[in-house]
Amino acid sequence: NAGVMQNPRHLVRRRGQEARLRCSPMKGHSHVYWYRQLPEEGLKFMVYLQKENIIDESGMPKERFSAEFPKEGPSILRIQQVVRGDSAAYFCASSPGGIGEQFFGPGTRLTVL
Amino acid sequence: KNEVEQSPQNLTAQEGEFITINCSYSVGISALHWLQQHPGGGIVSLFMLSSGKKKHGRLIATINIQEKHSSLHITASHPRDSAVYICAVRRGNEKLTFGTGTRLTIIP
Repeated sequence: NAGVMQNPRHLVRRRGQEARLRCSPMKGHSHVYWYRQLPEEGLKFMVYLQKENIIDESGMPKERFSAEFPKEGPSILRIQQVVRGDSAAYFCASSPGGIGEQFFGPGTRLTVL
Repeated sequence: KNEVEQSPQNLTAQEGEFITINCSYSVGISALHWLQQHPGGGIVSLFMLSSGKKKHGRLIATINIQEKHSSLHITASHPRDSAVYICAVRRGNEKLTFGTGTRLTIIP
């Protein structure tokens, strides 16, 4: 049973470009969470999604960031017009729902030049 | 004040020592997680607790719901235990709120 998959593992973008980060949850998991870890800072919640629904996006920056979890395929975190301050590690976690344990992916490390 | 406080922030110990990392939280929770992160690495879930105590190998985690406090213990510590240990709390099936982590270094 494969764990949570994230790709790419490393992503380099120039300022103003778009970044797309993908997360495939564990088999049987329908809940996805995105977290961000800025350099030398702790982890912070961004968004919580179930299939085709955004449940809680209280941690998402108001502009340039969006997330989706379609009926088919991975969850996508999209960052438009990236800036240097977006450089961070982005982790996805999945759970089966209820109070099931969250399992983390390996993260995507975004570097904005 | 953060919802989740960890202590100590940094901990250096000799190989073989017994390690304790503490976590206090200020809100009602449904579960508490202990996570491990190696430098530049991913996040591994060590424990999820809602009451009592859990043990896995040399790791032991306890939680006191009334006192809103949890501890992570490592027995017979080893240099490969060197990592950042993160406490996180959850309410219902919602997001995790994280402590700032404890950086553990075990010296051979």
